[in-house]
Amino acid sequence: AQKVTQAQTEISVVEKEDVTLDCVYETRDTTYYLFWYKQPPSGELVFLIRRNSFDEQNEISGRYSWNFQKSTSSFNFTITASQVVDSAVYFCALSGRNTDKLIFGTGTRLQVFP
Amino acid sequence: DADVTQTPRNRITKTGKRIMLECSQTKGHDRMYWYRQDPGLGLRLIYYSFDVKDINKGEISDGYSVSRQAQAKFSLSLESAIPNQTALYFCATSDRTDLYNEQFFGPGTRLTVL
Repeated sequence: AQKVTQAQTEISVVEKEDVTLDCVYETRDTTYYLFWYKQPPSGELVFLIRRNSFDEQNEISGRYSWNFQKSTSSFNFTITASQVVDSAVYFCALSGRNTDKLIFGTGTRLQVFP
Repeated sequence: DADVTQTPRNRITKTGKRIMLECSQTKGHDRMYWYRQDPGLGLRLIYYSFDVKDINKGEISDGYSVSRQAQAKFSLSLESAIPNQTALYFCATSDRTDLYNEQFFGPGTRLTVL
């Protein structure tokens, strides 16, 4: 079975702090794909990144970075120097080569205070 | 113009009413999905369709039905709405040739059942 766990329900930080959102996944597929989505207060889902199971290189995009570690089945997301506009719910998701469904974690609500 | 559109964007209805949520896409994708989002539960799959003649139940299909009228259109119906179907509903599409099965989401429909 596939499962995504986002243990942090809610995180609050003050602007300019760094914050890491955790994502732990379970799958029996040897080929699988991981995603992060952002859901701002307006409600839409914004795609942030995708990663396949064969690519363990960390990714950096501006203030965002992702750390993929197969050894711990984790795909964590770090925001450096957080801003108020980063306030949103963030979802981690998983799909497998042999399943055509996207499994979502329960999300982490990030609040960044000025 | 948005690639995946949902109508209506907001709907308030009463218990027992029949409701239809519509989804249209211009991405040319053959796969379409309906999800519901509840606070603290992430997105859960209701139904999905891999082509016009293919309809599959997802994790939480009870109380819902769907219709794939064309490749570009996928409708979700609540035959007799009940208050616990109050949620944010998302439609999504994906391309069967995409190994990642990356899904593209509509803007969501906020449904309230009184």
